[in-house]
Amino acid sequence: NAGVTQTPKFRVLKTGQSMTLLCAQDMNHEYMYWYRQDPGMGLRLIHYSVGEGTTAKGEVPDGYNVSRLKKQNFLLGLESAAPSQTSVYFCASSPNLAGRYEQYFGPGTRLTVT
Amino acid sequence: AQKVTQAQTEISVVEKEDVTLDCVYETRDTTYYLFWYKQPPSGELVFLIRRNSFDEQNEISGRYSWNFQKSTSSFNFTITASQVVDSAVYFCALSEATGTASKLTFGTGTRLQVTL
Repeated sequence: NAGVTQTPKFRVLKTGQSMTLLCAQDMNHEYMYWYRQDPGMGLRLIHYSVGEGTTAKGEVPDGYNVSRLKKQNFLLGLESAAPSQTSVYFCASSPNLAGRYEQYFGPGTRLTVT
Repeated sequence: AQKVTQAQTEISVVEKEDVTLDCVYETRDTTYYLFWYKQPPSGELVFLIRRNSFDEQNEISGRYSWNFQKSTSSFNFTITASQVVDSAVYFCALSEATGTASKLTFGTGTRLQVTL
């Protein structure tokens, strides 16, 4: 039981390049989330999904797209990376309403955009 | 809108001292949930506790204790007899209980440094 895994762990991109971050969970959770963590700002929600085939915007969605084609996977895409997207990205999942259950977090992906 | 304030950016203590991390929240909901997460230097986020708005009982787990007071909208976290392994960034978070998806609003975190 791996919990929540994220691929890759580290990545360096040049401005304008694209990439996809993969999040996978093996706990059969309905809800999945993508956050970014920046110094002094805590974690901020980018996008989330309440089930396979559904996605919704969070607090800071601009410049990102997501897809949830399979229940266990949640992909975060950057179409044209910008230095402002340099951050640590965390994926999380929860069984149902996050209010009643804690979110389980992946180990994070450190992305640098030069 | 929800808001979580952790006014202490960084705290330094000597091992075996007690330390309290403050968390103040704002919400219009009558039903909500509060959380504490720990982020050690390795970077992962570790869940510590969840508390719902109807349960104001204090919680103790080993050296950790939590004081939830609705009257002051606070959910403070105390570590008794701190240890070097407690060094981490601690996040308080709030989740509303309405809607189709409840999202966590995090505070900015408190970095705790415990030295020998």
